[in-house]
Amino acid sequence: GAVVSQHPSRVICKSGTSVKIECRSLDFQATTMFWYRQFPKQSLMLMATSNEGSKATYEQGVEKDKFLINHASLTLSTLTVTSAHPEDSSFYICSAKGRSPEGYTFGSGTRLTVV
Amino acid sequence: DAKTTQPPSMDCAEGRAANLPCNHSTISGNEYVYWYRQIHSQGPQYIIHGLKNNETNEMASLIITEDRKSSTLILPHATLRDTAVYYCIVRVASGTYKYIFGTGTRLKVLA
Repeated sequence: GAVVSQHPSRVICKSGTSVKIECRSLDFQATTMFWYRQFPKQSLMLMATSNEGSKATYEQGVEKDKFLINHASLTLSTLTVTSAHPEDSSFYICSAKGRSPEGYTFGSGTRLTVV
Repeated sequence: DAKTTQPPSMDCAEGRAANLPCNHSTISGNEYVYWYRQIHSQGPQYIIHGLKNNETNEMASLIITEDRKSSTLILPHATLRDTAVYYCIVRVASGTYKYIFGTGTRLKVLA
């Protein structure tokens, strides 16, 4: 089945630095990927839709200059959290749609802690 | 995409069937019902999906009412490893429409 690999699984960074999270579709090509953020004991909140070869579409209230998304190939989308602050600490999850009828496949998530 | 409503939490005894309901009263004719679950600190995992007929796979069964306004996910013999948050999502099957997650149901399987 479709596999989505997300890296790193955990990252701790200092306040003010930038962090890049990678999302790869391992056995299929994904023209569209999605990025979610999840705070403790809350549901997944869609941040943006990542489109290969074009600009990402951000959900209302998500700062596009803070959460930079690059989808330069059919198998890789990256999310860069710029000038991270403690309030950006969260669980970030990506997803992509393969050819199977099972809907979207999700990555295993990245736990970001900003200190 | 249609909005879904699920109870916030449920308990189930180990070995018993877990029945998780979902209301989707505004579902459109071409929208499917998808179920995912999220075990703590992991990405959501696909369970099952259906349009209007009942579906069964190795993980679960999905019962959709005739008017399609609600559905029930059934885990026939719940185990401790089924403890997770279960999400019901409705959307069209084709294209790359985004998933919007509701609050889900936190299922706790008790020994």
